[in-house]
Amino acid sequence: KAGVTQTPRYLIKTRGQQVTLSCSPISGHRSVSWYQQTPGQGLQFLFEYFSETQRNKGNFPGRFSGRQFSNSRSEMNVSTLELGDSALYLCASSLGIEQPQHFGDGTRLSIL
Amino acid sequence: QKEVEQNSGPLSVPEGAIASLNCTYSDRGSQSFFWYRQYSGKSPELIMSIYSNGDKEDGRFTAQLNKASQYVSLLIRDSQPSDSATYLCAVSAKDMRFGAGTRLTVKP
Repeated sequence: KAGVTQTPRYLIKTRGQQVTLSCSPISGHRSVSWYQQTPGQGLQFLFEYFSETQRNKGNFPGRFSGRQFSNSRSEMNVSTLELGDSALYLCASSLGIEQPQHFGDGTRLSIL
Repeated sequence: QKEVEQNSGPLSVPEGAIASLNCTYSDRGSQSFFWYRQYSGKSPELIMSIYSNGDKEDGRFTAQLNKASQYVSLLIRDSQPSDSATYLCAVSAKDMRFGAGTRLTVKP
């Protein structure tokens, strides 16, 4: 059974640009969550989608947005990139709410 | 007060010893609790889930939950050098919240 797939694995952008990250969940999983991980802040919750609806959102500015498609695949968009957005962005999928989450390998985003 | 707090570590134990990792949480409505292991440069990997008070054992790992004390722990018996990693406690209420992690080093 294929795991969670995130693309791309690495990305380099400059300040002010925007970026879209993609996540394909484990087959059958309808919940997708996104996290930002940095050495100083640890794993920070961005948002969770379930059946194409955003169920929860973390404490991030509106520059961070996401969506989920009918096949449960999800995308995360960050606009007007800032240096502080440099991080590892992790996607996790689960069967449903409060179920164990399984992580992808992440997208490492570097802002120059 | 942080929502999920873990011993900051680092924690160092000799090979073969028991490693004890602790976690407290603030939301009394939390129902699901998880332990993840994260090797350096890798993504978190689920190792244990626990939903009710008491102990849950899986091989060398034992998770313990005490909802009254809002406390979750992970015991690793017969620790091996391959157990050296950062261990993340996760608690689910309205959404999943992670602790900052405890770095464990098992010395041969």
